[in-house]
Amino acid sequence: GAGVSQSPRYKVTKRGQDVTLRCDPISSHATLYWYQQALGQGPEFLTYFNYEAQPDKSGLPSDRFSAERPEGSISTLTIQRTEQRDSAMYRCASSDGTATYNEQFFGPGTRLTVL
Amino acid sequence: ILNVEQSPQSLHVQEGDSTNFTCSFPSSNFYALHWYRWETAKSPEALFVMTLNGDEKKKGRISATLNTKEGYSYLYIKGSQPEDSATYLCAYKWQAAGNKLTFGGGTRVLVKP
Repeated sequence: GAGVSQSPRYKVTKRGQDVTLRCDPISSHATLYWYQQALGQGPEFLTYFNYEAQPDKSGLPSDRFSAERPEGSISTLTIQRTEQRDSAMYRCASSDGTATYNEQFFGPGTRLTVL
Repeated sequence: ILNVEQSPQSLHVQEGDSTNFTCSFPSSNFYALHWYRWETAKSPEALFVMTLNGDEKKKGRISATLNTKEGYSYLYIKGSQPEDSATYLCAYKWQAAGNKLTFGGGTRVLVKP
């Protein structure tokens, strides 16, 4: 596609519910990243994929968070039993590869609000 | 814990004036430094990726320098225009972190006409 897309753009859920966020990267991009961004702060790394492999999950804040990219293209981020502190902007980014100079292209984000 | 610090947190600039601000990062195990421009309600947009000590990059009126030995990068805006108003984020990649980017908190720039 022309850019990174994410859906939904906004999600409001009640505490305890599960949510799944979707990211559609730039079609030629092998690498996909998930970030969590609190209001007024820079993005914080959650996890990334190289095709369908997930080499680094170190940023996932708890085992309630999981991500998948089963066919090496679209990815989902699932948060189980949501808590109010999970409210944030969740951003996806993709890049052409993992070389030092590769830029990351960000999607518009999903604003999650947990009531 | 990596500390990537940006200063100042916010900056008001008169249209036509030039300005600059700083990103500080750990100088050991440096791999790359990214600069992003981020307008509210939009996605961060990549400006520069810098890898070598002494690197200077330029895009239009915006330029950046890199000092990996002392752990800082400057971003310069020459002749600021209202459309330069945005938050400028730097992000640091270090050797042992694989592909993880650690972002600073950003410098919010407001250019007044």
